[in-house]
Amino acid sequence: SQQGEEDPQALSIQEGENATMNCSYKTSINNLQWYRQNSGRGLVHLILIRSNEREKHSGRLRVTLDTSKKSSSLLITASRAADTASYFCATAMDSSYKLIFGSGTRLLVRP
Amino acid sequence: DTGVSQDPRHKITKRGQNVTFRCDPISEHNRLYWYRQTLGQGPEFLTYFQNEAQLEKSRLLSDRFSAERPKGSFSTLEIQRTEQGDSAMYLCASSSIAYQETQYFGPGTRLLVL
Repeated sequence: SQQGEEDPQALSIQEGENATMNCSYKTSINNLQWYRQNSGRGLVHLILIRSNEREKHSGRLRVTLDTSKKSSSLLITASRAADTASYFCATAMDSSYKLIFGSGTRLLVRP
Repeated sequence: DTGVSQDPRHKITKRGQNVTFRCDPISEHNRLYWYRQTLGQGPEFLTYFQNEAQLEKSRLLSDRFSAERPKGSFSTLEIQRTEQGDSAMYLCASSSIAYQETQYFGPGTRLLVL
């Protein structure tokens, strides 16, 4: 079963705008990760935030984590057409580090 | 390229046939994971190995599914007596001892059961 729910399911923005995606999850976690998937391809790891962290940055990406609300957000600043993809949050809950994925947000960045 | 590789990339089969997929992880990655992804959904965990030991299997992995990692390197996932509901993308990922939190995914094998 899916651990997380992502919001919105789809997002369309103009190049240069910021994109924000949200993820909610149900149980306590070790870490939360964001992955990108281009159409019909494998997943690319973007960023990981541990349960004791509140915010992380990587290039144009900013991730926040609120464990009290069991939610996370991914912000992509100054979006580019190449950012068009599906974005998934995934949580790891135990030492297996198996990932439980959300349903994803489909981002379209219009040139 | 030394990333995770999967073979074949696409497989079309008839219902009732057996299929086998192969995954080659990044060299020296000790953990290997299998996931299944259906259209419009996020991947779902199937099973994982630490070296050659299969440590966990999801309830999604019915008796028709079997996975092996005989020498702790590549892994195979076999589906027997395929059903139309098995049509999906099968993804493999691996992680290292030093940094097991991050998994690196292969390109996937897309299975279509007719």
